[in-house]
Amino acid sequence: NAGVTQTPKFRILKIGQSMTLQCTQDMNHNYMYWYRQDPGMGLKLIYYSVGAGITDKGEVPNGYNVSRSTTEDFPLRLELAAPSQTSVYFCASSYRPIGGRSTDTQYFGPGTRLTVL
Amino acid sequence: AQKITQTQPGMFVQEKEAVTLDCTYDTSDQSYGLFWYKQPSSGEMIFLIYQGSYDEQNATEGRYSLNFQKARKSANLVISASQLGDSAMYFCAMREGRNSGGSNYKLTFGKGTLLTVNP
Repeated sequence: NAGVTQTPKFRILKIGQSMTLQCTQDMNHNYMYWYRQDPGMGLKLIYYSVGAGITDKGEVPNGYNVSRSTTEDFPLRLELAAPSQTSVYFCASSYRPIGGRSTDTQYFGPGTRLTVL
Repeated sequence: AQKITQTQPGMFVQEKEAVTLDCTYDTSDQSYGLFWYKQPSSGEMIFLIYQGSYDEQNATEGRYSLNFQKARKSANLVISASQLGDSAMYFCAMREGRNSGGSNYKLTFGKGTLLTVNP
């Protein structure tokens, strides 16, 4: 049981380039999330998904896109990278039963450190 | 107004002593969850402990306990018998209730407290 895995661990992009950050979870969680962490700050939500085929914007979605074709995978796409997107990106997942109660604890991947120059 | 406030940017503690990391929160929801995460220098976010707003008992997980004072809107993390490996950044986070609309899907994080355990 690997939990939440992310690739790559590190990446340097040039301004205007694009890339996809990969995220996979093997816990059969229905909810998945993408956060970014800027230096000295807590995490901010970029996008989230409540299940395959359903995604929605978080606090800071501009410059990003997501898709969720399977329960396991939730890739984050950066189009036209900008220096402001230099950050550490975390993927997370949680289980929320339909109509039931749970702690909805979010479990995080190891993060991707992205630098845009 | 900030939803999660961690007033201690840094804390120092001697090995084997207990330490309390402060967290206050702001919400109008009756149903919410409070979480603490640890982020060591390697960067990963490790879940430590959870407290639900309706839980009557303070949460405990091994050496971690959560001092939950609902009326004061505080959720302080207590680490007993500190170890060198406890040196890390600690984040308090809140998930608001379903009545908060879109907010109930995300965690709102504080800015963190950097804990250093001295030998």
